[in-house]
Amino acid sequence: AQSVTQPDIHITVSEGASLELRCNYSYGATPYLFWYVQSPGQGLQLLLKYFSGDTLVQGIKGFEAEFKRSQSSFNLRKPSVHWSDAAEYFCAVGDGNAGNMLTFGGGTRLMVKP
Amino acid sequence: EADIYQTPRYLVIGTGKKITLECSQTMGHDKMYWYQQDPGMELHLIHYSYGVNSTEKGDLSSESTVSRIRTEHFPLTLESARPSHTSQYLCASSDHWGTNYGYTFGSGTRLTVV
Repeated sequence: AQSVTQPDIHITVSEGASLELRCNYSYGATPYLFWYVQSPGQGLQLLLKYFSGDTLVQGIKGFEAEFKRSQSSFNLRKPSVHWSDAAEYFCAVGDGNAGNMLTFGGGTRLMVKP
Repeated sequence: EADIYQTPRYLVIGTGKKITLECSQTMGHDKMYWYQQDPGMELHLIHYSYGVNSTEKGDLSSESTVSRIRTEHFPLTLESARPSHTSQYLCASSDHWGTNYGYTFGSGTRLTVV
C-alpha cells in the first residue's frame, strides 16, 4: 500500500527567504505525485504534479518540486516566500492500481514572518 | 473559476437535525470523494463513488451516508447531527487516469453542530 509522510508539521520562514517542504512516499512502482495548497477555510488547490519525464516540475505561484526516485522524495521549493504563501500544504501520491485513489500526507503548516 | 461547488459554505445546526451537504461538479468526472477535516489537520476519506449508483465507505468510519444518482451530484447526509460531527467537509472529483489526472476540490462546508 502507498503512503506519504510529511515530516514537518509546522515550518516558519521569513518573508523573502527560500522554502523547502519535505515529502517522502512509499510506493512500489513509478508514483504519480502531487502538491496541494489549502488556505484557511478553503478547499485544496493543485500546485503541481509529476507523472513522468523531467524530474523538476514547475507549478503555479512560483513553486517547483523535484522528484528523486533514489530518495523516494518529492520536495516542494520556492526561492522567495511571500506572506500570502502562508497556508497548509499537502503532498499526495496516486495509485493507478487502487482505483486511482490519492493518498495524502498529514500536511505542513507554513507560517511566514514579516 | 470553480468547477466543483459545495453548499452551504457554513452551517450551524442543532443536535438531532437532519442535514444534507451538497456537492456538484460540471466536469463530467466519474469519481467523486468526501473528506472530513478538522481545522489544521489531515484529510480523512469518508466516502467515495466511481460513478452513478456506486458508493463506498472510506478509511474513516462515518455516520453519514451518500448517494450518486447523477454523475454531477454527490450529496452527503447526516440523519441526526451531533456535536462530534462538527468539522469541515471537503468534496472532490477526478477524471480517468492520465496526464490530466488529479483531484479538483470544492471550497468545503464548515459544519458546526450545537
